[in-house]
Parts: sequence; structure tokens; C-alpha cells
Amino acid sequence: EVQLVESGGGLVQPGGSLRLSCSASGFSFGNYVMHWVRQAPGKGLEYMLAITPDGDRTPGADSMKGRFAISRDNSKNTLYLQMNNLRTDDTALYFCVRGCGGGCHGWDFWGQGTLVTVSS
Amino acid sequence: QSALTQPASVSGSPGQSITISCTGTSNDIGAYNYVSWYQQHPGKAPKFMIHDVSNRPAGVSNRFSGSKSGNTASLTISGLQAEDEADYYCTSYTNSDTWVFGGGTKLTVL
Repeated sequence: EVQLVESGGGLVQPGGSLRLSCSASGFSFGNYVMHWVRQAPGKGLEYMLAITPDGDRTPGADSMKGRFAISRDNSKNTLYLQMNNLRTDDTALYFCVRGCGGGCHGWDFWGQGTLVTVSS
Repeated sequence: QSALTQPASVSGSPGQSITISCTGTSNDIGAYNYVSWYQQHPGKAPKFMIHDVSNRPAGVSNRFSGSKSGNTASLTISGLQAEDEADYYCTSYTNSDTWVFGGGTKLTVL
């Protein structure tokens, strides 16, 4: 069974940093493009960033450039999101998502999300 | 990248059909057949419903179908059921090598 479990969320002050992790199981993690998507409370989904199996980072949404960085450790089946200089509008539920791959374009498995609250 | 445009809400009675539109530009929906749709119930993670415009993943009911014309994609749900009440999001790949979501549509089953 495919499982994606995010961790690392919590309360952080504006200007602070946080690193989220996503532990993957039930599939060959190293063969899939992985993504981060976030959702502010009561708002819609917002695409963030992606990383290929080899570690190449796709450009991502413009609003994510500069403060957010995606990485992965295939030996640990883990995806990461480094978030720096956090702002109050970064408060959101952060989802780890698997690209469906194999000629399929979309996201077939989602974690339950980890909540990041940016507040003083 | 600007978000794709979806109606804020749609509604229908059980057994009816509804269609949710998703309008983009020639830089996203119009350029690629990489539109996907997601269903999200309150407090839950999104569920994968349609990929590559009109393909249903295994396990998704054939009451859900997708299509595209020009810069607009659509999700049609036939034979509406109470459990279909949820938020629906479209997304498309863009020529900036990234993805963009629609703002979401709340479906109410009357």
C-alpha cells in the first residue's frame, strides 16, 4: 500500500525556517517525480515544487522561488521541503504528492498533510 | 502563473448531471493535454479523479468524465450522488514547466 507521511510542521515565527519531511513507503520511491502542494486554511490548492527521481528540480511556481527548496534522499525514501524566511501567508497544510508517472500526468497519491502555522 | 478559472459553486439534484468548467490560456490548458481533476472532502486529502484530460484512474467511478476544448477543460459528473458533494479542483501543466491549479468549485448535491 502506497503511503506518504508528512512531518515537521508546527508553529514558527515570521522570518523563521522549517524543514518538512515526507516518508514514503509501498512503492519504489526512487522511480517517481515527487511534488509539494499546499493549502491555506479555507482556501484552494496551490502548487509549489517538484523534483525528479535524479534530483533535478523543476522551476516550480513563481511565488515559491527563492524561499523554498525541495530535495530528496532516495536511500531513505524521503522527500524534503526547506522553507526559509517564512511569512504569515505561508500558513497552510503542506501535502507531499506522488506524480503518477508512466505517461500519466497528475498526482495519484497524497499524504494527509502537515500543518505549518506562521505567527508571532 | 495565473490560476485557472473555475466557478465557485455548482449544484444539482441526485441523479442529475453537472459540469464544472476550468478555463486557462494557450500557455497551459490550450498547450497541453495534461489536465487533471481532484475531489476533496472536508478535512481530507484530495483524491485523484481524472488525468490527461479524460482518463480515469483505476477505482474511479465511470460517472466521472473529463474533456477539453481549446483553453477550457470540463469535468462532468453524471448520476449525482450525495457522496459526490465535495470541492473539485482542476490543474494543468504550463509552458513555464510548472503546474497551476484552478480556484476550486464547491459541488452541492441538493
